[in-house]
Amino acid sequence: DVKVTQSSRYLVKRTGEKVFLECVQDMDHENMFWYRQDPGLGLRLIYFSYDVKMKEKGDIPEGYSVSREKKERFSLILESASTNQTSMYLCASSLYSGGGWNTGELFFGEGSRLTVL
Amino acid sequence: KQEVTQIPAALSVPEGENLVLNCSFTDSAIYNLQWFRQDPGKGLTSLLLIQSSQREQTSGRLNASLDKSSGRSTLYIAASQPGDSATYLCAADNNNDMRFGAGTRLTVKP
Repeated sequence: DVKVTQSSRYLVKRTGEKVFLECVQDMDHENMFWYRQDPGLGLRLIYFSYDVKMKEKGDIPEGYSVSREKKERFSLILESASTNQTSMYLCASSLYSGGGWNTGELFFGEGSRLTVL
Repeated sequence: KQEVTQIPAALSVPEGENLVLNCSFTDSAIYNLQWFRQDPGKGLTSLLLIQSSQREQTSGRLNASLDKSSGRSTLYIAASQPGDSATYLCAADNNNDMRFGAGTRLTVKP
């Protein structure tokens, strides 16, 4: 079975702290994504990666960075957490389909609910 | 920029009813369209993926159709059950740009 695992289901952090959200997939997928989901705003793409050490900005990259040192792992980093980053963070992966980059069938993790106080 | 709309935002039906969830998109040049299910506080679970060259996909009691020319997709759920209660989201992939609808919150009453 396809599996995307997010390291923490619930986190509570203080303003200004550095936060790491980890995501691991076991499907040998090339593409990995970080979204945040907020009531009324839906899912918004923060960053994605289509290969090791490659990254592309999504719609809302400000205040975030990412790291992909290994194919199976994609980390989201909040350098200095702020209260407006309180949200549900969702990691996803998909298989590269060739013929140009595309999302492909997305598989999501269980989500990480971050609260910044 | 692609916009994806799902109407209604919420739907409540009695158990056993057949139902249709709607998804519309503004840019018909999509690569594929996916339907997801999301339970409260959880991630999204992929239900069906329809490639742009396909008209429909079926999985068990679920059937999804795609009409690119009219910018619409529907998710048909047959013989609904209380366990089908969840939020259903559709997402349109325009090859390098995937957009999600806000979802339809479905409640199936026993």
